Amino acid sequence: DSGVTQTPKHLITATGQRVTLRCSPRSGDLSVYWYQQSLDQGLQFLIQYYNGEERAKGNILERFSAQQFPDLHSELNLSSLELGDSALYFCASSVQGLARTDTQYFGPGTRLTVL
Amino acid sequence: AQSVAQPEDQVNVAEGNPLTVKCTYSVSGNPYLFWYVQYPNRGLQFLLKYITGDNLVKGSYGFEAEFNKSQTSFHLKKPSALVSDSALYFCAVRDNTNTGNQFYFGTGTSLTVIP
Repeated sequence: DSGVTQTPKHLITATGQRVTLRCSPRSGDLSVYWYQQSLDQGLQFLIQYYNGEERAKGNILERFSAQQFPDLHSELNLSSLELGDSALYFCASSVQGLARTDTQYFGPGTRLTVL
Repeated sequence: AQSVAQPEDQVNVAEGNPLTVKCTYSVSGNPYLFWYVQYPNRGLQFLLKYITGDNLVKGSYGFEAEFNKSQTSFHLKKPSALVSDSALYFCAVRDNTNTGNQFYFGTGTSLTVIP
């Protein structure tokens, strides 16, 4: 168990809908990262937050957004969902996220199915 | 740009035999390299990382990896494979740019250890 928690574990929804994925980092970790894992794209970095501020952006669609709250948990919001958004969404956390030697610890993921 | 390549989608090895999972990297600047393992329906688990120093890095569950600068490789190894090592293995490199330090993951190698 990495200490990173994600809810829900599974999510099934319809095209056009909006969902929110939640992540709680390990105790003491200030940085949260979101990744998408799909069969055709592999593991792709979406976005990073450090202590409440956006730190880096990857291949995140405009329909997607995220935030990190004062208690350091993070939420990833996916809107106007399309079939192609079906994937496993991982959250990871690290102590600081500013040092490239930091290890990222991954949560168990949320499996999103868009019908 | 940073990237890693895992040239083998699938590796099969007999239980008790040594195993190698290959990874090559392309980075500007110092490479920070990581290996993660993903078991079915689970998140990624950290195995080991190379930051600097000794080219042979020892990690969890008896795994080790050899950093080779001249060949730009970071192959994962284990002297004696177990059936329980069967999983999906990801090599990752850390972003070295000033804008972020997310991971760039390889496409993954599925390891099957045959009893």
